Amino acid sequence: DIQMTQSPSPLSASVGDRVTVTCRASQSIGTYLNWYQQKPGTAPKLLIYAAYSLHSGVPSRFSGSGSGTDFTLTISSLQPEDFATYYCQQSYSIPRTFGQGTKVEIK
Amino acid sequence: QVQLQESGPGLVKPSETLSLTCIVSGGSISSYYWSWIRQPPGKGLEWIGYIYYSGNTNYNPSLKSRVTISVDTSKNQFSLKLSSVTAADTAVYYCAREFEVRGLDNDYYHYMDVWGKGTTVTVSS
Repeated sequence: DIQMTQSPSPLSASVGDRVTVTCRASQSIGTYLNWYQQKPGTAPKLLIYAAYSLHSGVPSRFSGSGSGTDFTLTISSLQPEDFATYYCQQSYSIPRTFGQGTKVEIK
Repeated sequence: QVQLQESGPGLVKPSETLSLTCIVSGGSISSYYWSWIRQPPGKGLEWIGYIYYSGNTNYNPSLKSRVTISVDTSKNQFSLKLSSVTAADTAVYYCAREFEVRGLDNDYYHYMDVWGKGTTVTVSS
């Protein structure tokens, strides 16, 4: 199985901050990397697919980058509704695997 | 737009079989992959497996001996069975669509773009 490791966890930030979440794969996965946002009591929502493609309806302050083993999710200006837990997930191979999650908290 | 709704018992006894169904509405189940994912209380996400509408399946090796995913295209739904459950199987269970798109590099990319709201299953006697 491909192990996905996220950092930092948790992440404390303020409204308006530029926030970066990092995800590292245990082997090269090209750009087969997706990002999801999950708020308490709700299902995850897709933000980014194929490492840097913004899913329909997702605000442009979210962006993704990286390839191979190292990936980042960036929120350019953190908004109140962005406080949540973020997961990366690889779709390079079976089984699909997720990172452990990064909780973005209010500083 | 496509919506998913999980249904099934919220309480299952140890050693019994957990059975859940995901109803697909607002679109056809055909031509897509359909997944099950679970999340134990306070923990992260674990992929259980998926089924293609044609019936081909892929399972997480960690659960493969206990999992069966099936599809009923006539009812536009798919199902999960997990046998010999223990307390470690207590979780919120989500169904999701795994979408496949062809990238500019001609590779095929997969991502879970539609999720159900999730259903809580507790394993307890």
